[in-house]
Amino acid sequence: TQLLEQSPQFLSIQEGENLTVYCNSSSVFSSLQWYRQEPGEGPVLLVTVVTGGEVKKLKRLTFQFGDARKDSSLHITAAQPGDTGLYLCAGEYGNKLVFGAGTILRVKS
Amino acid sequence: GAVVSQHPSWVICKSGTSVKIECRSLDFQATTMFWYRQFPKQSLMLMATSNEGSKATYEQGVEKDKFLINHASLTLSTLTVTSAHPEDSSFYICSSSGGGTGAYEQYFGPGTRLTVT
Repeated sequence: TQLLEQSPQFLSIQEGENLTVYCNSSSVFSSLQWYRQEPGEGPVLLVTVVTGGEVKKLKRLTFQFGDARKDSSLHITAAQPGDTGLYLCAGEYGNKLVFGAGTILRVKS
Repeated sequence: GAVVSQHPSWVICKSGTSVKIECRSLDFQATTMFWYRQFPKQSLMLMATSNEGSKATYEQGVEKDKFLINHASLTLSTLTVTSAHPEDSSFYICSSSGGGTGAYEQYFGPGTRLTVT
């Protein structure tokens, strides 16, 4: 079983629509990171959330860490084709990162 | 964030040969590096944790004699895939942790595409 459940697995939307990606766990994480990866490249760090209830914004992206530090969400407003990619959440667990299964996002123009 | 490079970016080798992949932390000293494997449209699977000056720690199910890791300096870790077979074909990505941000973050290299024929 996956320690960090990420959903949805696939998302295909039209340009301008909003979307939310979720990461859930029964475990508490010291911190949680969100990454974006394009085909043939390594993941790029978008944000790190550390404090329960924390909300961070990065342009049209809003990241939230649950109060109990067991879950997180990524909300994209007015998605654009350039947002297309694989989005990964990863929780700090021990001295390692535990990754969710990833969400493949495709934004059609 | 930190900059991590990998070399080569892609490699094709024949079955039975060995391939070495280098991972370099360019702008800070990384005491710990990680090696991941990724199949198409899937998430990252941690293979091992590479610690400078000591033996790597392998995840369950990863053969340490097949995937040799050496972390001889604070800026370089290498992964050698020994006696490669077609099933070893994959995207291998390294990362380094640290950077002094106060939170646990990893910075990833661009990955190495290995194809074993």
